[in-house]
Amino acid sequence: DVKVTQSSRYLVKRTGEKVFLECVQDMDHENMFWYRQDPGLGLRLIYFSYDVKMKEKGDIPEGYSVSREKKERFSLILESASTNQTSMYLCASSARGGAGEKLFFGSGTQLSVL
Amino acid sequence: AQSVAQPEDQVNVAEGNPLTVKCTYSVSGNPYLFWYVQYPNRGLQFLLKYITGDNLVKGSYGFEAEFNKSQTSFHLKKPSALVSDSALYFCAVRAFGGTGFQKLVFGTGTRLLVSP
Repeated sequence: DVKVTQSSRYLVKRTGEKVFLECVQDMDHENMFWYRQDPGLGLRLIYFSYDVKMKEKGDIPEGYSVSREKKERFSLILESASTNQTSMYLCASSARGGAGEKLFFGSGTQLSVL
Repeated sequence: AQSVAQPEDQVNVAEGNPLTVKCTYSVSGNPYLFWYVQYPNRGLQFLLKYITGDNLVKGSYGFEAEFNKSQTSFHLKKPSALVSDSALYFCAVRAFGGTGFQKLVFGTGTRLLVSP
């Protein structure tokens, strides 16, 4: 069965900490995405990657960076966590062919920044 | 910019009754439209997509969606709701990033509650 795995289901961090969210997919997909989900705001795209070491900013990249050193792994980095980054973070992947291909999502990481 | 709107935060329906979850879109060019579902404590799952062709698209779990170009709508439907259909539903549209790479833009979501 195809899988997108996020390393943590729940995470609690303090303001100012550097936070790493990890995502691994086993489908050999070229494209990977990081979204955050907030009530009333839906899903908003933070960053995406269309190949190893390639990335593009999404709609809300401020305060975040990403790393994709290997095809199967896409990391989201919060350089200095702030309380307004408390959210559910969802990772997704898709095959090349763009958004005509369906996205496969991980189960999400609920991050709380205190 | 490409966008979708889901006008209802919540839809309530009794089990066995038909259900509709609404979505309208705003795009330049031909729309690629999608529905995803999120069950409690789970990631999003793909339900169906419209790219071209028949205006009635069939998807997973007995769901279908009707594309209406004149009303710029893509409503999700099911003839007979189940309690297990209770979940959060997201409409999405294809958009393009600065490099021309394709991505999905999601709506705000509609919570569906099916009562026994």
